[in-house]
Order: sequence, then structure tokens, then C-alpha cells
Amino acid sequence: EPEVTQTPSHQVTQMGQEVILRCVPISNHLYFYWYRQILGQKVEFLVSFYNNEISEKSEIFDDQFSVERPDGSNFTLKIRSTKLEDSAMYFCASMGLIVSGANVLTFGAGSRLTVL
Amino acid sequence: AQRVTQPEKLLSVFKGAPVELKCNYSYSGSPELFWYVQYSRQRLQLLLRHISRESIKGFTADLNKGETSFHLKKPFAQEEDSAMYYCALKRTSYDKVIFGPGTSLSVIP
Repeated sequence: EPEVTQTPSHQVTQMGQEVILRCVPISNHLYFYWYRQILGQKVEFLVSFYNNEISEKSEIFDDQFSVERPDGSNFTLKIRSTKLEDSAMYFCASMGLIVSGANVLTFGAGSRLTVL
Repeated sequence: AQRVTQPEKLLSVFKGAPVELKCNYSYSGSPELFWYVQYSRQRLQLLLRHISRESIKGFTADLNKGETSFHLKKPFAQEEDSAMYYCALKRTSYDKVIFGPGTSLSVIP
């Protein structure tokens, strides 16, 4: 069964450093998402991406965050200058064409970010 | 604004007992409702969705628009059902998924 792949699985960084989290969505999917989950808290929406542009973003997704689909396969989340409160599990998800039975998000295993 | 609530943070049941994980939502339209499950050290995965009216791993969930609920039920809990369960909502097919806070289910042998 096709999977969404995320790298790295765990990254430790110093406060103020830039971090790039990578995702390879399912190959024929067109909609892409990033979510995060701070330890012990709920899964929160960050941003959705379609047709090479952001379609929606939450208030969490401020100027420190950016997303990119640099080629036909990768979907990246960049945090420009990390803060302690960015420590969380970041999940990538993708969704296929909107036809009956296909409008389901498939999640990656997550990238755990620890900011020291 | 749309919201998903799951009143129980933790739920413990004995093996073989019935289990019900509660979910309520607030949204004025007709949303799509889902249950996602996360087993220990595994990724979030779709368990079931209201639109399919299916039963997966013995679990069912019925959308009650009058009560704005989508409770997840299973008549006989198994140890392998122990996991984190998230109720989720989409306003439209094109929309993001909004998650509830999750319920941790523990099935006691």
C-alpha cells in the first residue's frame, strides 16, 4: 500500500536554527498538508497546499514557517528560526483526487523536532 | 467555527466489554466525520468514516445530526484495540481535517 514518507524521523536543533522537514507524498496525490502535535496535546492543522500554492493556513503558521514543493515528489516544511515551543511531532499528509472514496488524508509517520 | 470534542481523555475497559468513545462536533453544515487511530509507535491511520457506513475491526460509528455526535462503538473490546483514537471533521471534501483532542483507550486483559 502506498505510504507518505517523512524525513528525518527525529531532529534535534538549537534555538534560532533553521530546520527543514521533508515529506514524500503518495505519487498521484494533489493535496498536501502539514500538522503538528505538541507532546500531550491535540493534532493541530498548520497548512494545506494545492496547485503549487498555499490554500489555507492556521494562525500557528506565521512568517517563520514556509512550505515548498521544489520538485514533483517532495513537499517540505521550513522553520526559519526555531523556538523552544516549536518542539513537536510534525505530520505530513496527502490526499488524492476528490472522487468518491478517495477524499481521505493519508499521514506520514511524523518527524519529531526537539529544539534546545 | 467548527470544533470537535472528545470528553474522555482516558478510557479503560476490560477485554470483552463493550466500548464507546464519544465524539461531538459543532458545525452548522453537513460535515464529513472520521475516526483515526494511532497505535503505539505507529502513524495516524484512518479507522472509518461516516460516509462509508462501514465496520472496521468490529468498530462502527453512526452520525447523529440531531445530537451532532459521531460516537465510536465496539461490542467486545480486544487488547489490540488499545490505542489513541481521534475523531475528526472535514467541512467539505476539499477541506483540511480538524481533529478532536483524542481518547486513549486501554483494554485491560
